[in-house]
Amino acid sequence: DSGVTQTPKHLITATGQRVTLRCSPRSGDLSVYWYQQSLDQGLQFLIQYYNGEERAKGNILERFSAQQFPDLHSELNLSSLELGDSALYFCASSLGVATASEEEYFGPGTRLTVT
Amino acid sequence: AQKITQTQPGMFVQEKEAVTLDCTYDTSDQSYGLFWYKQPSSGEMIFLIYQGSYDEQNATEGRYSLNFQKARKSANLVISASQLGDSAMYFCAMSNYNQGGKLIFGQGTELSVKP
Repeated sequence: DSGVTQTPKHLITATGQRVTLRCSPRSGDLSVYWYQQSLDQGLQFLIQYYNGEERAKGNILERFSAQQFPDLHSELNLSSLELGDSALYFCASSLGVATASEEEYFGPGTRLTVT
Repeated sequence: AQKITQTQPGMFVQEKEAVTLDCTYDTSDQSYGLFWYKQPSSGEMIFLIYQGSYDEQNATEGRYSLNFQKARKSANLVISASQLGDSAMYFCAMSNYNQGGKLIFGQGTELSVKP
């Protein structure tokens, strides 16, 4: 158990809908990362928050947004869902900003299926 | 641009034998970290081992060792005495100091351990 929790574990929804994925980092970790794992794109970095502020952005679609709250939990909002958004979404956390030497602890993931 | 390449989509190894999973990377940064993660069929991402770009000795963690050849930009994972529970996907990843810690992943290698 990494100490990172994600809810829900599974999510099935229809195209055009909006969903929210939730992540609670390990106790004491200030950085939260979101990754998407799909069959065609592999594992891709989406976005990083550090202590409530956006720190880095990857290949995140405009239909997707995220935030980190004062209690450090994070939410990833996916809207106008398309079939291609079906993927496993991981949240990871690390202690600090991560200077290339910090391990990131991954949550169990949320499997999103868009029908 | 930063990139991780894993050229072995799938590998087989006999139980109790050693196996090497290949990983090459490309980066223009001097300060970076290299990671290996294991993803069993259950889906979670499990951290295995880390190597810093300035580390002179190869990293080891139990049965896992990282064969770091900086000049060749390779960071191969060696698993000694393979066990049936080692059957999983293995991902090599890189984090760059100037990129805030986000991980860039390779496409993965699926390892199957035969009894």
